[in-house]
Amino acid sequence: RKEVEQDPGPFNVPEGATVAFNCTYSNSASQSFFWYRQDCRKEPKLLMSVYSSGNEDGRFTAQLNRASQYISLLIRDSKLSDSATYLCVVNLSGNTPLVFGKGTRLSVIA
Amino acid sequence: GAGVSQSPRYKVAKRGQDVALRCDPISGHVSLFWYQQALGQGPEFLTYFQNEAQLDKSGLPSDRFFAERPEGSVSTLKIQRTQQEDSAVYLCASSFLAGPTGELFFGEGSRLTVL
Repeated sequence: RKEVEQDPGPFNVPEGATVAFNCTYSNSASQSFFWYRQDCRKEPKLLMSVYSSGNEDGRFTAQLNRASQYISLLIRDSKLSDSATYLCVVNLSGNTPLVFGKGTRLSVIA
Repeated sequence: GAGVSQSPRYKVAKRGQDVALRCDPISGHVSLFWYQQALGQGPEFLTYFQNEAQLDKSGLPSDRFFAERPEGSVSTLKIQRTQQEDSAVYLCASSFLAGPTGELFFGEGSRLTVL
């Protein structure tokens, strides 16, 4: 099992749709979780951290399920500008560097 | 500028050449990271510095890869005797926090193509 796994997509959705991505991680002791966004040929940028209680930022909701070892990202009312690759990022254990998933590509279509 | 700056943005090397990639982190950021991103993949960790100390180099793929940050600011990633499989985008990131788990601020990357 890979350390951090994501469905690569692409997810092609119409504007206004709700779309959700999941990401699974291998180490049950993992402590920190993030979603990064990467536009085509650009650098990754932090979208949001994922907290145990779940958290929301505008149209974006992130959730953590420790029992099943996955995190999710929900995007409501999709915009064309949401088209990007969404990277799941996990601190797998202790003082180890962040591990990135391969990313999930989202295309929002007019 | 206020962000992480990397140079060169694009580098084409012939197989066997040595290359050096530079990273200028955000001023005051303690931690500096190098990641390698191949086409269609997520960033893969290479190495991590806290100030001038290289605390983790477990991701460097071979002894042809070497990184330094001698004064705790600018860092250089050097690749000796480049091979075609070294072709990738090399991303530098810095973090305000000491330790490898804080928010990462990435540069735009150096795209290396080895012919």
